[in-house]
Amino acid sequence: NAGVTQTPKFRVLKTGQSMTLLCAQDMNHEYMYWYRQDPGMGLRLIHYSVGEGTTAKGEVPDGYNVSRLKKQNFLLGLESAAPSQTSVYFCASSHGFRTGGAGTEAFFGQGTRLTVV
Amino acid sequence: GENVEQHPSTLSVQEGDSAVIKCTYSDSASNYFPWYKQELGKGPQLIIDIRSNVGEKKDQRIAVTLNKTAKHFSLHITETQPEDSAVYFCAAVNAGKSTFGDGTTLTVKP
Repeated sequence: NAGVTQTPKFRVLKTGQSMTLLCAQDMNHEYMYWYRQDPGMGLRLIHYSVGEGTTAKGEVPDGYNVSRLKKQNFLLGLESAAPSQTSVYFCASSHGFRTGGAGTEAFFGQGTRLTVV
Repeated sequence: GENVEQHPSTLSVQEGDSAVIKCTYSDSASNYFPWYKQELGKGPQLIIDIRSNVGEKKDQRIAVTLNKTAKHFSLHITETQPEDSAVYFCAAVNAGKSTFGDGTTLTVKP
């Protein structure tokens, strides 16, 4: 029962390098999200997707790109890493809406700790 | 957009005491309010939630209350145990998007 799986778990990048974080979910969820977590600042939404082939900007999208080519996968890309992108990144997924429009629980991955030097 | 404020940022209690964490939100369109527990090195995990048409919900030692008029909701943990020590996040959800509070670090002293 995998749930939400993130790879890699840890990564160190040099300033200017690029990388892609992979998120996979096996719960047939429509919605997927990428958050970053910094000390004392909670979880901030970077980008999200409401279904295969769709993406939208969140609260802090600058410096990141995403793609959702398959329903179960959501990729987060850093084209030119900066020290300000040092953070813990969490992927999450949810059904989005229940009947009647009520929100639903989000399931989180274990996180990716990224350090940019 | 939605803004969620969470207090306190840190909370230390003796084992067996109660703990209360409070959140306020700004967008009256938010209709789902989950609480997540995050243990060290792990992702957040849902512990209890409440929908906007309900005022209170209880699950064993934890309970959540919601006041829609005042736009605030609270988490109550009774008979705290050392394993309750963690970071707790509240969230307000609207149209499938969650806005999180900044978190409360709860420490339960044996």
